[in-house]
Amino acid sequence: NAGVMQNPRHLVRRRGQEARLRCSPMKGHSHVYWYRQLPEEGLKFMVYLQKENIIDESGMPKERFSAEFPKEGPSILRIQQVVRGDSAAYFCASSSVRTPSFHEQYFGPGTRLTVT
Amino acid sequence: DQQVKQNSPSLSVQEGRISILNCDYTNSMFDYFLWYKKYPAEGPTFLISISSIKDKNEDGRFTVFLNKSAKHLSLHIVPSQPGDSAVYFCAVAAGGTSYGKLTFGQGTILTVHP
Repeated sequence: NAGVMQNPRHLVRRRGQEARLRCSPMKGHSHVYWYRQLPEEGLKFMVYLQKENIIDESGMPKERFSAEFPKEGPSILRIQQVVRGDSAAYFCASSSVRTPSFHEQYFGPGTRLTVT
Repeated sequence: DQQVKQNSPSLSVQEGRISILNCDYTNSMFDYFLWYKKYPAEGPTFLISISSIKDKNEDGRFTVFLNKSAKHLSLHIVPSQPGDSAVYFCAVAAGGTSYGKLTFGQGTILTVHP
């Protein structure tokens, strides 16, 4: 299966702990995106990365959130000192310049973060 | 300030009939439009897309129509099947500094009854 992979699928953290969410893009895809879906809402863009570069982080909260996509290994979304309001589904997507359109992003199954 | 709106939270359709899902956007800079389907506890699945240079794109049972002057797009599913029951999101993309970012509507829950 060459789809977008995310782990863990479910993550429970206590307030103040750190959450690390991992994403492996589809084979051949070099562009990674993170989106967040709060309960009863649509998906909201957070950040767009290419290997070793953050291209657009306009949707990232100013504090506690960071993302990286290293040369080797998965992309990581890191949330420090989690609060209850961080509870949401976090989706990773990937795309390639070789798809019919660069904008066609393919999503992983998501990580459901619950902060207790 | 919602740039993409799906004004119908839900839609109920009989199996075999047509399902029409609608989406309105406000920014004329958007130049690529997509539809995704999402089942509970899964990630969105790409369905079909259209660029601003076209007004229609068809793929099997799915057809997307784009009306640029009205800033409106729609997804037609014919014939509808019970397995189509899911949440449908429209998404839009623009060039320039927003390149790569998709903006999603709130979603429409489609229920197809046997």
